[in-house]
Parts: sequence; structure tokens; C-alpha cells
Amino acid sequence: GAGVSQSPSNKVTEKGKDVELRCDPISGHTALYWYRQSLGQGLEFLIYFQGNSAPDKSGLPSDRFSAERTGGSVSTLTIQRTQQEDSAVYLCASSLWGEGNQPQHFGDGTRLSIL
Amino acid sequence: GQQLNQSPQSMFIQEGEDVSMNCTSSSIFNTWLWYKQDPGEGPVLLIALYKAGELTSNGRLTAQFGITRKDSFLNISASIPSDVGIYFCAGTGNQFYFGTGTSLTVIP
Repeated sequence: GAGVSQSPSNKVTEKGKDVELRCDPISGHTALYWYRQSLGQGLEFLIYFQGNSAPDKSGLPSDRFSAERTGGSVSTLTIQRTQQEDSAVYLCASSLWGEGNQPQHFGDGTRLSIL
Repeated sequence: GQQLNQSPQSMFIQEGEDVSMNCTSSSIFNTWLWYKQDPGEGPVLLIALYKAGELTSNGRLTAQFGITRKDSFLNISASIPSDVGIYFCAGTGNQFYFGTGTSLTVIP
């Protein structure tokens, strides 16, 4: 369908490796969000993109985490020198625009496991 | 970041029973949203509320935007096994805030 698409759906990697997670938002949505969800936990905000504005990076847990959004569409979340505590599901969401009253629509996430 | 207080944390109910869960915040919100997350999937929007006092239904689900704009509840009537999952509330002002989730188990 035309929902938010994330890839890969699962990623297993060794500690210390870098990983890239991809998000394709719904076409026409200008706002894009990344969240992290640990097992059985709620959603931890990571980063928010709105159009061409500078992203809100306030939720990134360390400088090993970064994200880009090219051309206002696809986004990549990169985790460098992965640690075991990075293991979680990484969820991407998009909304029509970033004003508060627009519902976010989620992808199915990337399940990241660090060995 | 800020999270909403959502309760209960978990519920175990018999099939056919009604369910009620709620979310509270110390901040005023402009919008309240309710999501359901099935295992291995992302949260799916169930109901969106845009006005204080608003009561909205979606099938067996009913949600209300509290008159103080600081709370919301979600009711599920006549629960069925496929209602199992984690339910999240979300409130929006200038930013998006999510509740900590209510895990629902329905016993056939």
C-alpha cells in the first residue's frame, strides 16, 4: 500500500559495526519522525524533520546517532559503533505536516539486534 | 522527553468484557490520539480527537477528549481476542507526546 515503509525489517549485527536504517514516508507528508522502542516499552522520540527546516535532534541519545532526510522524502537513521544497548525496534512515522494536530502514521519498524 | 501518564499499565480480561483506559497530562493538549500496536508491527491510529469534550466512536471503540484538555479515555466494548495488543495515547501541542502504553490481554 501507500503507507510508511521501513527497511530492513530485521537487522542483526555485531557490536561496533555501523548500521543504516531506511524510512520511506507517505507521499506528500512533510513531517518525518524517528522513534526507538525497547522490548515492552513505550516510544522514545529520537529526531523530527519538517520540510526543509533544521531537524529537531533533541531526542538522539548520543553522537553515535545521526539522521538525514534527502530531498524532503526518504530518511536514513545511522548508528555508528553500535552497542548492545542499541538493540530495539526503530520506528519511523510521517504526518502531513508537523503542526501538532496532524496524526502520525507509522511504519512497521526495523528490529535491530546487536550481538 | 515528556511522556503522558497512561493507566492501567496492563489488563487481563475475559472475552466479552468492556475495557477502559485513560491518559492524563499536566499540560494542555490540542489533540488526543489513540493508537494500537500489534506484535511486530508499528502503531496504528484508532481514533483522533480535536476538540475538548469531543466523544468519538470507531466501531466498538469510543474515545473522549477531556473537557480540561489534560486527559482522554478509550473504551472498548464487548472485547474480542483480536483486541489484544498495546494501546498508546498521544497528545499534541507544539510537540507530540506518547503515553507509556496499556497492554491488553483478552482471555477467550
